[in-house]
Amino acid sequence: GAVVSQHPSRVICKSGTSVKIECRSLDFQATTMFWYRQFPKQSLMLMATSNEGSKATYEQGVEKDKFLINHASLTLSTLTVTSAHPEDSSFYICSATPGLAGGPLSNEQFFGPGTRLTVL
Amino acid sequence: DQQVKQNSPSLSVQEGRISILNCDYTNSMFDYFLWYKKYPAEGPTFLISISSIKDKNEDGRFTVFLNKSAKHLSLHIVPSQPGDSAVYFCAALTSGTYKYIFGTGTRLKVLA
Repeated sequence: GAVVSQHPSRVICKSGTSVKIECRSLDFQATTMFWYRQFPKQSLMLMATSNEGSKATYEQGVEKDKFLINHASLTLSTLTVTSAHPEDSSFYICSATPGLAGGPLSNEQFFGPGTRLTVL
Repeated sequence: DQQVKQNSPSLSVQEGRISILNCDYTNSMFDYFLWYKKYPAEGPTFLISISSIKDKNEDGRFTVFLNKSAKHLSLHIVPSQPGDSAVYFCAALTSGTYKYIFGTGTRLKVLA
């Protein structure tokens, strides 16, 4: 149980285009989903948190107009990298929890396999 | 400001021996800690966690020790196996919040 999938697993795009990454919880309802970014040989950095049906909360330094997050259902969140540039190339990982952010279950996060984005 | 630090970027251990991975934190509000294992181009896989009300938690070959006064935790893997070769991240959070703070990771290589 507690499986989280991401699609696509890797994507290559041209500079200036937009890319959408999907994150799905396959066997549980994910009230809260998280988006992380990992640069090579660095830690995972939280980008934003979204609760189903409400606007995402972005971490300091993350441009909300560039990284659009939609959490329209209890099993799906999407991250759209708008007008991508080479510096956006990174490994993007989502995670999901059945609990509400701040609630008693929010200690548990289940991670997706990640999406490798390369912007040419 | 790195609130969670893993000072050893890499560690090599012989198969069958003990692997000890260390993690230090600075924020005294952290009360829940987790260890994740990560292979390249994959998402982290949960290994083991510990609440601050405990000082030890064991699950099979994996044991996590927490020293609150030193703000230090460690992951022991015994016996180490070649399949354990991966990058290990510790993460810390304050219960009731959602924000995992990850360490920088330690690359473990178990030599056959």
